[in-house]
Amino acid sequence: SSELTQDPAVSVALGQTVRITCQGDSLRSYYASWYQQKPGQAPVLVIYGKNNRPSGIPDRFSGSSSGNTASLTITGAQAEDEADYYCNSRDSSGNHLRVFGGGTKLTVL
Amino acid sequence: QVQLQESGPGLVKPSETLSLTCTVSGGSISSYYWSWIRQPPGKGLEWIGYIYYSGSTNYNPSLKSRVTISVDTSKNQFSLKLSSVTAADTAVYYCARRSHGYSYGIYYYYMDVWGKGTTVTVSS
Repeated sequence: SSELTQDPAVSVALGQTVRITCQGDSLRSYYASWYQQKPGQAPVLVIYGKNNRPSGIPDRFSGSSSGNTASLTITGAQAEDEADYYCNSRDSSGNHLRVFGGGTKLTVL
Repeated sequence: QVQLQESGPGLVKPSETLSLTCTVSGGSISSYYWSWIRQPPGKGLEWIGYIYYSGSTNYNPSLKSRVTISVDTSKNQFSLKLSSVTAADTAVYYCARRSHGYSYGIYYYYMDVWGKGTTVTVSS
């Protein structure tokens, strides 16, 4: 079992806004990073820190955090955003370990 | 820009040791942490561990007894060894660079460069 909990699947209509969440005790103290993974490809970093996007990631991707929940929001979802999304952060043991959420499959309708 | 490339056998027999190498090109291995992550078929990502270029390591507790990550700065490479493998270790194995930042009084970490991944099958 993962210390970070994500909904297994989420769907969104084309052009609408969707929020993907990640819950865990460690998120009260540490930021999550978010990764997009399309079938047969390596994960790609989309959000890190408070709300930072790597070069090349569209500004429709944004991140936020409140309490024990980190969120990835896609404003105006596009067909190419259909993918699996994973959050990652420190675990809650205090031993500088890392943990991934179970992943959320995003379907764009 | 920095690129990572995993290499190693694609087939390992049960009870043997899985060995993979990640070669860093386009930049130096120094001053960063370097991670291994795996993904069993049809499942999610699992963090295996990381190593600093100086050699300090940290491992997933569930794998710690079987995992060794090492670094060779002269070759700009770091490696993964996983002993006593079983079919449950069949997965795509990724290497990644861990970067960090600091804001609002908090350090944060993220994996910003990933290799393409290599498939390892454990089977006799």
